[in-house]
Amino acid sequence: DAGVTQSPTHLIKTRGQQVTLRCSPKSGHDTVSWYQQALGQGPQFIFQYYEEEERQRGNFPDRFSGHQFPNYSSELNVNALLLGDSALYLCASSSLRRVSEQYFGPGTRLTVT
Amino acid sequence: GIQVEQSPPDLILQEGANSTLRCNFSDSVNNLQWFHQNPWGQLINLFYIPSGTKQNGRLSATTVATERYSLLYISSSQTTDSGVYFCAPRGNDYKLSFGAGTTVTVRA
Repeated sequence: DAGVTQSPTHLIKTRGQQVTLRCSPKSGHDTVSWYQQALGQGPQFIFQYYEEEERQRGNFPDRFSGHQFPNYSSELNVNALLLGDSALYLCASSSLRRVSEQYFGPGTRLTVT
Repeated sequence: GIQVEQSPPDLILQEGANSTLRCNFSDSVNNLQWFHQNPWGQLINLFYIPSGTKQNGRLSATTVATERYSLLYISSSQTTDSGVYFCAPRGNDYKLSFGAGTTVTVRA
C-alpha cells in the first residue's frame, strides 16, 4: 500500500520565480491538505482540497494556490517567490468516508535565493 | 484557530529512561494526532486519539478532551526515539493545528 508521495524532494528557486509542488495521496484517500513548515516551527495549514475544490484555506496570501485532479492528486503553486517562502512543504491525505486521520508525505524542501 | 502549547520544549534523556510530553490546547477538539518528525522531516503517525488512552509498544497516549490536554508517554527510551514530537488537534474545521513541538534527544 503506497503512502503519500511528493515531488520533487528538493528545489532551489530565485526570488520572483514561480514553483509547482506535487502530491499523490495514500491509496483510498480523497482529501489532500498542504502545510508549510519553516525551520524550527510546527507546520502551518495552507489549504485543503476535496472533490477538486478548495474546502478551507489558512492565513496565506493569494500567491499560494492549488489544484486537485480527478485522481485525487494535488498541486501547490506559489507565485512571485519571496525569501520567506523557504520552508518544508508537507502534503497530507485523509479520507472523508473514514476517520479523518491525516497521513503526511516526506515533504518538499524549497529554498528561495 | 486552536492554540497549542507543548511542554517541555526540549528534553534530554539517557537511554532507558521514561518521559512524559504534554500538549495543552485552547478549544474543544474533534480529534487529535501525535506525530514524530524524524531528522529528514518525515512526520510519522503515532496516535489518533481524540479521547481516552491508547498504547503502541513503548509509547502510550492519553487525551482528556474535557480538560483540553493530551499526554504522550515514552518508556524505556531508545536513541531512535530522538526527534521532534508534535501534537496536532483538529477543531470544528478541517485543519490540524500544530504546536512548536518537543525536541527529544536520547543519549546512549
